[in-house]
Amino acid sequence: AQKITQTQPGMFVQEKEAVTLDCTYDTSDPSYGLFWYKQPSSGEMIFLIYQGSYDQQNATEGRYSLNFQKARKSANLVISASQLGDSAMYFCAMREGTGGFKTIFGAGTRLFVKA
Amino acid sequence: DSGVTQTPKHLITATGQRVTLRCSPRSGDLSVYWYQQSLDQGLQFLIQYYNGEERAKGNILERFSAQQFPDLHSELNLSSLELGDSALYFCASGGLAAGDEQFFGPGTRLTVL
Repeated sequence: AQKITQTQPGMFVQEKEAVTLDCTYDTSDPSYGLFWYKQPSSGEMIFLIYQGSYDQQNATEGRYSLNFQKARKSANLVISASQLGDSAMYFCAMREGTGGFKTIFGAGTRLFVKA
Repeated sequence: DSGVTQTPKHLITATGQRVTLRCSPRSGDLSVYWYQQSLDQGLQFLIQYYNGEERAKGNILERFSAQQFPDLHSELNLSSLELGDSALYFCASGGLAAGDEQFFGPGTRLTVL
């Protein structure tokens, strides 16, 4: 069965430092997609980055990169040069590619960026 | 702005009542997804429609139902409301492939008193 685990309920990082948010997943489907979303205090869900299960290289989008370790079933989000505006809730999500289209989300990690 | 619209933004109602939440997907998107975000359950996938047909079902209660209309807008109907149904309900739209990004609407905040 699909499962997404985010083990860090809260994280602190100093402004301008890098931070890694952990995400592990479980699926028996060889085809799947992994996503990270940001939810600021205003409530909207903002797409950050995507990694496909067959992608050979780790995804990067600006200051965001995804450290994809397929054998370990982990898809950690790395935010470089943290900014105060990065303070938010971050969700890891997965969608299987065959046999169903439901997307499941992890419990989230609240990131606090300190000045 | 994601291009996904949801109405109303806020809804306050009483237990036992029925409400309808509306979602208009981004132009060109055929898939609509509904999610419930509550403090104790996190973000839960409810149901997905693609071009008018139900494609996937998650943890949706029998008191809840949804449909997608020919113009692709979708409605989520919640009936016999309970206090525990208070939550933020998101609609998202996108494609069907595993790698397709889902664009989220601003959400409808439902409060059941």
